[in-house]
Amino acid sequence: AQSVTQPDIHITVSEGASLELRCNYSYGATPYLFWYVQSPGQGLQLLLKYFSGDTLVQGIKGFEAEFKRSQSSFNLRKPSVHWSDAAEYFCAVAVYSGGGADGLTFGKGTHLIIQP
Amino acid sequence: ETGVTQTPRHLVMGMTNKKSLKCEQHLGHNAMYWYKQSAKKPLELMFVYNFKEQTENNSVPSRFSPECPNSSHLFLHLHTLQPEDSALYLCASSDRDIEVGYTFGSGTRLTVV
Repeated sequence: AQSVTQPDIHITVSEGASLELRCNYSYGATPYLFWYVQSPGQGLQLLLKYFSGDTLVQGIKGFEAEFKRSQSSFNLRKPSVHWSDAAEYFCAVAVYSGGGADGLTFGKGTHLIIQP
Repeated sequence: ETGVTQTPRHLVMGMTNKKSLKCEQHLGHNAMYWYKQSAKKPLELMFVYNFKEQTENNSVPSRFSPECPNSSHLFLHLHTLQPEDSALYLCASSDRDIEVGYTFGSGTRLTVV
């Protein structure tokens, strides 16, 4: 079965500093990988996704992620964070069977705190 | 709006009540999902529907009963819930085309008293 590990429960970053959120996955086949962001009391917003091709993926809000198959990682980065980036971030892997999409498996999330 | 609408946004119910959560998508997707998000726990996939057929039930207690009358609507019927069922319930939809990805609603915040 697939699994996702986000080793950092909380991360604190100063406004304007760079950010990297870690994600490791376990899946036997080609992974379909996602990063979502959740603000308090809200649903999940897709930041970016990786299916194939270029291993460096650009997303919304200035985020990017790099897929590294050898390390089973899909880390999220942003060169300069803004106070509005404070939120919960989730990494997820998708399973697709012959019948279609079977749902996402999520990591436990990383809570991002931005210091002024 | 993401294209996936959930109602109500907030729900408080007693343990003996019966209520339903509703999810509606206007994206033309063919699969719909219910997730449960509890404090300090990862998002849990509860049910999967592909083309109105339930394809997955992750050992969810029978007090949760899903219904998918068509590819655009998904319900979660609730009865005799427990306080530990209090959580944010998220609905999502996706398409057979992998490139489409998953779209989530804003969720229903459920409190069982």
